[in-house]
Amino acid sequence: DAGITQSPRHKVTETGTPVTLRCHQTENHRYMYWYRQDPGHGLRLIHYSYGVKDTDKGEVSDGYSVSRSKTEDFLLTLESATSSQTSVYFCAISEDGRTENTGELFFGEGSRLTVL
Amino acid sequence: GQNIDQPTEMTATEGAIVQINCTYQTSGFNGLFWYQQHAGEAPTFLSYNVLDGLEEKGRFSSFLSRSKGYSYLLLKELQMKDSASYLCAVTDSNYQLIWGAGTKLIIKP
Repeated sequence: DAGITQSPRHKVTETGTPVTLRCHQTENHRYMYWYRQDPGHGLRLIHYSYGVKDTDKGEVSDGYSVSRSKTEDFLLTLESATSSQTSVYFCAISEDGRTENTGELFFGEGSRLTVL
Repeated sequence: GQNIDQPTEMTATEGAIVQINCTYQTSGFNGLFWYQQHAGEAPTFLSYNVLDGLEEKGRFSSFLSRSKGYSYLLLKELQMKDSASYLCAVTDSNYQLIWGAGTKLIIKP
């Protein structure tokens, strides 16, 4: 199994508070991704990183920021959480950003965030 | 727009065969993936198709027809542990991964 851990696994917070989710990998993979998963929707990409300090937006990046200061860590921050950001957040890694070469993303176990 | 369609839910019997379909309309195509996701867990990779035809891996097979924008995942000799959601995803011309909403498969004894 790929070594990916997410923390916290569960969090309940109030509207307007900042929240940071952490993804840590031990695989030394270059690419890291943050997705959200909601009922009735496919996984939606929030942000991704293709190296230390190199990040880019995904399709649902509004209200989220990311940072990657080390290869192994990718942080997702909600500066001011809203109820629409209640979701399950998955971190994923891949060896190569052109996923057709590896055929595989490795996912963390998910972080369930509830914003009241 | 880009779209991937798969049935929301399917039910099958233990020991039987089930086929889960996926149709896609994307800007370009660079491969199609199937992932399995048990409730409350992370998705895990099942298969990858980039050329037309059938790819077989044990009890699981995946088929692709690029001209029809169509794929299916075939599960044989169903086991209770196969109860899960099955996610179809397509890589478009920009190598962006577009995900379907998933098919929840319920296996009954």
